[in-house]
Amino acid sequence: GAGVSQSPRYKVAKRGQDVALRCDPISGHVSLFWYQQALGQGPEFLTYFQNEAQLDKSGLPSDRFFAERPEGSVSTLKIQRTQQEDSAVYLCASNGGFDEQFFGPGTRLTVL
Amino acid sequence: GENVEQHPSTLSVQEGDSAVIKCTYSDSASNYFPWYKQELGKGPQLIIDIRSNVGEKKDQRIAVTLNKTAKHFSLHITETQPEDSAVYFCAASRWRNTGKLIFGQGTTLQVKP
Repeated sequence: GAGVSQSPRYKVAKRGQDVALRCDPISGHVSLFWYQQALGQGPEFLTYFQNEAQLDKSGLPSDRFFAERPEGSVSTLKIQRTQQEDSAVYLCASNGGFDEQFFGPGTRLTVL
Repeated sequence: GENVEQHPSTLSVQEGDSAVIKCTYSDSASNYFPWYKQELGKGPQLIIDIRSNVGEKKDQRIAVTLNKTAKHFSLHITETQPEDSAVYFCAASRWRNTGKLIFGQGTTLQVKP
């Protein structure tokens, strides 16, 4: 079956631009997670949804980062006024009620 | 805060040898410990996991051990093959709480033919 998909796969933004990253989880998966992975590092937790409810946003680095999942399926991570330190791979994962989180391929964001 | 330390950062072995990667976690409430393999340009893929009520788990050439008292867990790969070359991440979480994964820094494994 289809796994987690993310789009775009690559995004180049000029400093100060807003970007929106999309995640399509596995159908029926209740839980959705966003992680940020800097080059050569492990993924770091950003935020967590259960259905449409954002239950944990403790990992969002600043108020420029905003995530939503209005209908409990597709999620969008938005970054306003991008800065160079936002350059990273943004990973989305979904979970269907058991332990395993299934990861998408990620969106590589480069801020120039 | 919650932290997972992973060693070594790089590991090079000859094909057929064993590889061992070790992780230590700080949150004593952690109860789920997955290992992920990440290939270039791809997202992490789960290869094996262990829960806190189990000390060891094996799946073909891969095994994981957990020592809750010492708060460390290890990945063992036997009979390594070139296709095992990748970056490996350990992680810890409080499953049934938030479920968020705290990852180690990663180990780049190179298996030389």
